[in-house]
This record gives sequence, structure tokens and C-alpha cells, in this order.
Amino acid sequence: DAKTTQPTSMDCAEGRAANLPCNHSTISGNEYVYWYRQIHSQGPQYIIHGLKNNETNEMASLIITEDRKSSTLILPHATLRDTAVYYCIVRANQAGTALIFGKGTTLSVSS
Amino acid sequence: DAGVIQSPRHEVTEMGQEVTLRCKPISGHDYLFWYRQTMMRGLELLIYFNNNVPIDDSGMPEDRFSAKMPNASFSTLKIQPSEPRDSAVYFCASSRRISTGELFFGEGSRLTVL
Repeated sequence: DAKTTQPTSMDCAEGRAANLPCNHSTISGNEYVYWYRQIHSQGPQYIIHGLKNNETNEMASLIITEDRKSSTLILPHATLRDTAVYYCIVRANQAGTALIFGKGTTLSVSS
Repeated sequence: DAGVIQSPRHEVTEMGQEVTLRCKPISGHDYLFWYRQTMMRGLELLIYFNNNVPIDDSGMPEDRFSAKMPNASFSTLKIQPSEPRDSAVYFCASSRRISTGELFFGEGSRLTVL
């Protein structure tokens, strides 16, 4: 069963912020939100994850709503190399729970 | 780190032949995962290991598929006999701890069964 809902595709102009939404209305209290991306013909790449607080790293920022039912991945200054499929995944951080990927959002960054 | 290393990168074989895909995880990582990706089904988890022991193989499609991890630095995914519907990209990933959720993926092995 899909735990997350993401738009199928999005476009973004190079240099602008890319805001990728994800709905996870049935998320449990012990489940984290993970984001991965997959550039064409490569293996998926970890971006960021969080539980309830906003998170930022060198790649992106993760904004989680207070009720935790949705989140947004922000790429502050998108480049052409950010064109990829972005996966939002919810998962409990405990032994025996692997990452299950959905369909993701195809982000196209254009100049 | 060299990253997760998979071989072969590309494999073309005929239906009925045995296929063996290989994976070398990142040194020190205790978890190893095999995923399969197709256009129709997306990324599917096939099986994962912890300390060389299979933990969950519920994603393995059928008895034609088998996976082994004889030691901490090597794993194989075998398909015997192969069928055209097995054509896909097979990814191996490793992780230091499953609790972090941070998996490191290899470049994948693209399998074509004619």
C-alpha cells in the first residue's frame, strides 16, 4: 500500500527553488520521512530525512508540517543536474523495516 | 570508499540461461539490499541481509530467484532459468545501520533476457 502521494512530474527553471511536495496523511508517530533521488541510469541517492523538525543539509531542506501529514523537499537553487526522479518515503527507524520506493516525482530543470 | 560495486553492468542472455549478478558492499556496512527496477513496477525490494543472514526475502518473485551472501564483502543474485520478464535493472545497496535509512546504491546491472 502506498504510504505517500507525490505529483507525477514538475518543472523548474534553473536557478530557482524547486519545491517538491509529498502527502503522507497516514504517517505513524515513529515513522520518518525520507527523500531519495534517482538521476537517469544511476542508482538512487539519499538526500535527507526527518521526523518532525525541519532539516537542512548541503543538498536540500526538508519542511515537515506540524501535523506531519505532509512535507516539502526544497532544492534552493536548482541546476540542470538536479533533473531526476525524487522519491518520498515514510519508514520507521527500526530493525526489519526496509525502504519501499513508490513512483516518485520526475523533476525537470530547464535553462 | 569505492562505493557499492556491481557486476556485470550489462548482461544480455537468452531465455533459459542462468544469470548471476554480483555485488560488493561498502566495507563496514552490515546491511545489503537487492532491488529490481522496471518501467512497469518501479523499484521493488527483493531481499535484504543483515550480517550475511537473509532477513526478508518476501520480495523474491519466485523460486527461480535466489540470493546468497557468503561473506561480508560479497553477495550474488541468481536467476535460473531466466525469462524475458526478468529483464530489468538490478540494484544492490548497502547500509551501516538500517535505523539510519541511508542506503548507498550501486550503479546497477541491466539485464536483458531475449
